Amino acid sequence: DSGVTQTPKHLITATGQRVTLRCSPRSGDLSVYWYQQSLDQGLQFLIQYYNGEERAKGNILERFSAQQFPDLHSELNLSSLELGDSALYFCASSVVPQGAGANVLTFGAGSRLTVL
Amino acid sequence: LAKTTQPISMDSYEGQEVNITCSHNNIATNDYITWYQQFPSQGPRFIIQGYKTKVTNEVASLFIPADRKSSTLSLPRVSLSDTAVYYCLVGPTLYSGGGADGLTFGKGTHLIIQP
Repeated sequence: DSGVTQTPKHLITATGQRVTLRCSPRSGDLSVYWYQQSLDQGLQFLIQYYNGEERAKGNILERFSAQQFPDLHSELNLSSLELGDSALYFCASSVVPQGAGANVLTFGAGSRLTVL
Repeated sequence: LAKTTQPISMDSYEGQEVNITCSHNNIATNDYITWYQQFPSQGPRFIIQGYKTKVTNEVASLFIPADRKSSTLSLPRVSLSDTAVYYCLVGPTLYSGGGADGLTFGKGTHLIIQP
């Protein structure tokens, strides 16, 4: 158990639907990251939040949105789902200290999304 | 942007030492080098991080030459359980406003260990 909790573990839905993935970071970690991993695209960085504010943005589609709440948990919302959105979605967290030790991410077990 | 280049795949045998090299010719002064390991259907796991010279922990060693344009992850006496994908990340510390570049995983190196 890495300390990063993701729910649900598995989710099957239909095209056009909307889903929400939830992530609770490791205790004490202020930053949350979302990644998408599909067979053909590898591990893609989507977005990062630090203490409630968006910090960095990667290849996140406009149909996707995320936020980090005051209790530091985060949610990734995926809407108008397409077949190509089927993937493993990982959440990671970090303390984000300055200097050495930064960029050390702790990943959750992932949420597997299947769009039919 | 410190883009990284790694071998797509490697194989070795149990008990051998395995070295995986990552090239990062455009590494910046404030960039750190971080390696992760990922098993199928699991999230990546931090292995080791370094800035220059050599770093060693209980799992691996990381060698970084003086020009820092490459780095080598060394796994001593590998076992079948070391079969995984290994990623090299290069980027500035997040606290210093590194942005997305330092969070970008490449395709990684598929390491296969045979009996």
